[in-house]
Amino acid sequence: SQTIHQWPATLVQPVGSPLSLECTVEGTSNPNLYWYRQAAGRGLQLLFYSVGIGQISSEVPQNLSASRPQDRQFILSSKKLLLSDSGFYLCAWSRARGTGGISNTDTQYFGPGTRLTVL
Amino acid sequence: DAKTTQPPSMDCAEGRAANLPCNHSTISGNEYVYWYRQIHSQGPQYIIHGLKNNETNEMASLIITEDRKSSTLILPHATLRDTAVYYCIVRVDNYGQNFVFGPGTRLSVLP
Repeated sequence: SQTIHQWPATLVQPVGSPLSLECTVEGTSNPNLYWYRQAAGRGLQLLFYSVGIGQISSEVPQNLSASRPQDRQFILSSKKLLLSDSGFYLCAWSRARGTGGISNTDTQYFGPGTRLTVL
Repeated sequence: DAKTTQPPSMDCAEGRAANLPCNHSTISGNEYVYWYRQIHSQGPQYIIHGLKNNETNEMASLIITEDRKSSTLILPHATLRDTAVYYCIVRVDNYGQNFVFGPGTRLSVLP
């Protein structure tokens, strides 16, 4: 079976410090990977998605970046955190499509999340 | 994506079936109905999805009306661990879009 891990579970960082959140998936190959931010327990804002190693698509301009150094590893980073970066960050995966693209109707499976507080 | 409407809260006795309704009267022909749930401070958990036909998996059943304007998620034998906020959403076969959750239904399973 497939599992998705995120760490750390919680993080408190000062403004201006760097950030690195890690997500790994087990039990599947070449997954599509996603980073979301959830505000106030409501909707999920898509930040980045990736259909393969080194392939990153950004949905929202911001001071965050993402990388996919390995097939099942997805990293969210920032060089200098802002107060507005506080939130609940979720990683998700979906099965790869034969066409190599992604679709909103692909079932996404979420990790446990990282709660980031920037002070 | 079409808007959905759900009751804000529901109670269900442990061991009984929980029936969670959702209205999506403006749904388009190419939009799928998805159900996720979220336990406090955890990531959303996929439950089930469907387009036109009723669906069943190991977690739940999804009943979609013939006109597709509403659906019902059925948890056949609710347990205390099913206490969560349940989100009904519709999604079109496009790419790279946000999950637009409404307030959802807070299901409380009572012992």
